[in-house]
Amino acid sequence: KQEVTQIPAALSVPEGENLVLNCSFTDSAIYNLQWFRQDPGKGLTSLLLIQSSQREQTSGRLNASLDKSSGRSTLYIAASQPGDSATYLCAVKKSGSEKLVFGKGTKLTVNP
Amino acid sequence: GAGVSQTPSNKVTEKGKYVELRCDPISGHTALYWYRQSLGQGPEFLIYFQGTGAADDSGLPNDRFFAVRPEGSVSTLKIQRTERGDSAVYLCASSPGTSRDTQYFGPGTRLTVL
Repeated sequence: KQEVTQIPAALSVPEGENLVLNCSFTDSAIYNLQWFRQDPGKGLTSLLLIQSSQREQTSGRLNASLDKSSGRSTLYIAASQPGDSATYLCAVKKSGSEKLVFGKGTKLTVNP
Repeated sequence: GAGVSQTPSNKVTEKGKYVELRCDPISGHTALYWYRQSLGQGPEFLIYFQGTGAADDSGLPNDRFFAVRPEGSVSTLKIQRTERGDSAVYLCASSPGTSRDTQYFGPGTRLTVL
């Protein structure tokens, strides 16, 4: 059974700092991996999608990497802003399945 | 364009009652998913539709839960004899239909069973 773990569970940083969020998964037979953002009381917004054949994806200040063999992904946020405050969720899609398996998320607070 | 919409946004019901939660996917998306998110947890998969048929219902916790998508667009998640443990946010997502696609999530329905 696929398990997804995110570390840390919560993170508080001052504005302007670069930061890294970690995600690990137990079954390396994944099809793709997604990072989502969730604001309180809201649904999920997809940030980056990495196919299993890719090593990284970038969007603006965000960069996500994938090391499938070691079962790890990182989300790098450059020059953090208070508007980045949210919960960040990592999810993997297993090969041959359509469902996403999520971690519990990292709650990020960026202090002005 | 319009995103995934879910109604109602909040539903409070009493233990033992029947509830229906509705999801309107993005127009043209053939794949539709239901997830359940409990407080402090990530979303957990319930069921996946491709068109009108449930292609994977392995996440439904028991036979009190049922979902339909009769015309391949709107979907309804139905919960019979609700229990307090059913309280959660129910999220719906849709995608264009291929495995490579992003899933686009709705805002969710917060269900509270008293």
